[in-house]
Amino acid sequence: SQKIEQNSEALNIQEGKTATLTCNYTNYSPAYLQWYRQDPGRGPVFLLLIRENEKEKRKERLKVTFDTTLKQSLFHITASQPADSATYLCALWNQGGKLIFGQGTELSVKP
Amino acid sequence: SQTIHQWPATLVQPVGSPLSLECTVEGTSNPNLYWYRQAAGRGLQLLFYSVGIGQISSEVPQNLSASRPQDRQFILSSKKLLLSDSGFYLCAWSPQGAEQEKLFFGSGTQLSVL
Repeated sequence: SQKIEQNSEALNIQEGKTATLTCNYTNYSPAYLQWYRQDPGRGPVFLLLIRENEKEKRKERLKVTFDTTLKQSLFHITASQPADSATYLCALWNQGGKLIFGQGTELSVKP
Repeated sequence: SQTIHQWPATLVQPVGSPLSLECTVEGTSNPNLYWYRQAAGRGLQLLFYSVGIGQISSEVPQNLSASRPQDRQFILSSKKLLLSDSGFYLCAWSPQGAEQEKLFFGSGTQLSVL
């Protein structure tokens, strides 16, 4: 069956460092991969979409990579700030036309 | 601009009581609509999605049902709630006809079944 896996353990980093989150998937051949941010008690908010023919995509301090051979996406936040603390979710459209989410990784940036 | 409204924000219901959660979208026509559930510390589970009025697809067998009586209205219901129905319920929409588009989420309803 199709699965998406993210680091279940929370990631704690110091302000100013780069945070790197991992998303692995199996039994998929997705054309797109998305990343969302979710704050406690709120709905997810879309951050970035990367296509299979794009190795890397950037938006301000965010960078996403997409390796279709490894079946993995990495999500980087450079110069992290306490305001970046949240849960980050990766998501893929499956063959049935549904957007399926990973369980998310909680990021905590300490001042 | 498009907005999505979901209510109520929190709900405490006894086991065996009925449920009705409502979601409406403004500023767009014929959206795809979705209901997701998120258990504490877990990922989002797709419950239902709809591509048009009266068209509902169910993803998992459960105690819940969904209806779409109007183009931009999506309702999640239950006749008798179970303890296992507790969770954070999220409504979302995406543009019709746009392949693999991003989803726009509502603010969610925290449901506690006691």
